[in-house]
Amino acid sequence: AQTVTQSQPEMSVQEAETVTLSCTYDTSESDYYLFWYKQPPSRQMILVIRQEAYKQQNATENRFSVNFQKAAKSFSLKISDSQLGDAAMYFCAYRSLYSGAGSYQLTFGKGTKLSVIP
Amino acid sequence: GAGVSQSPSNKVTEKGKDVELRCDPISGHTALYWYRQSLGQGLEFLIYFQGNSAPDKSGLPSDRFSAERTGGSVSTLTIQRTQQEDSAVYLCASSLVYRRNTEAFFGQGTRLTVV
Repeated sequence: AQTVTQSQPEMSVQEAETVTLSCTYDTSESDYYLFWYKQPPSRQMILVIRQEAYKQQNATENRFSVNFQKAAKSFSLKISDSQLGDAAMYFCAYRSLYSGAGSYQLTFGKGTKLSVIP
Repeated sequence: GAGVSQSPSNKVTEKGKDVELRCDPISGHTALYWYRQSLGQGLEFLIYFQGNSAPDKSGLPSDRFSAERTGGSVSTLTIQRTQQEDSAVYLCASSLVYRRNTEAFFGQGTRLTVV
């Protein structure tokens, strides 16, 4: 079974600064997907960015980018030019691509609470 | 609908009562997931439905929990004889499966409080 670990329960960043959230995972599979989801107080989980394991290039979505280190099984999220609206819980998630019972479930880390200081 | 819809948004129930939580997935999405999020915790997988295949129930914490999905669409999560430790937010998500980069779309969850 896969596991996802987020070692930073809480982080804070000054508005307009850059912050990096850490995520490591454990798997024996060679092909999979990794995601970062944002959960604001409204509880709505929102996809921030996704990474395909077979792609070496790091994914980027506007101010959000990842540092994907496949050998190290590390998948960190960098938020540049932080905004007040970025304050939320951030969850790292793993998704297998192989068929079979349970293989399509998303496995989540415990989350990192990000605060943005004005 | 435009997104995943869950009802009710909030539910307060007495210990020992049964509750039903409903999830309407995005039209056309063949995969449906239920997760439980306890206060300050991550998302705990409960159950996964994929088309007409047998559901993956490996995450259900006890036999008091059950779920069904009718007609490949709406799903109901039932908790019998509720306990205080069942208090949590229950999140539903749906996705297409047969696209490599498919993402799961989440509803806003049902906050269950057992008193």
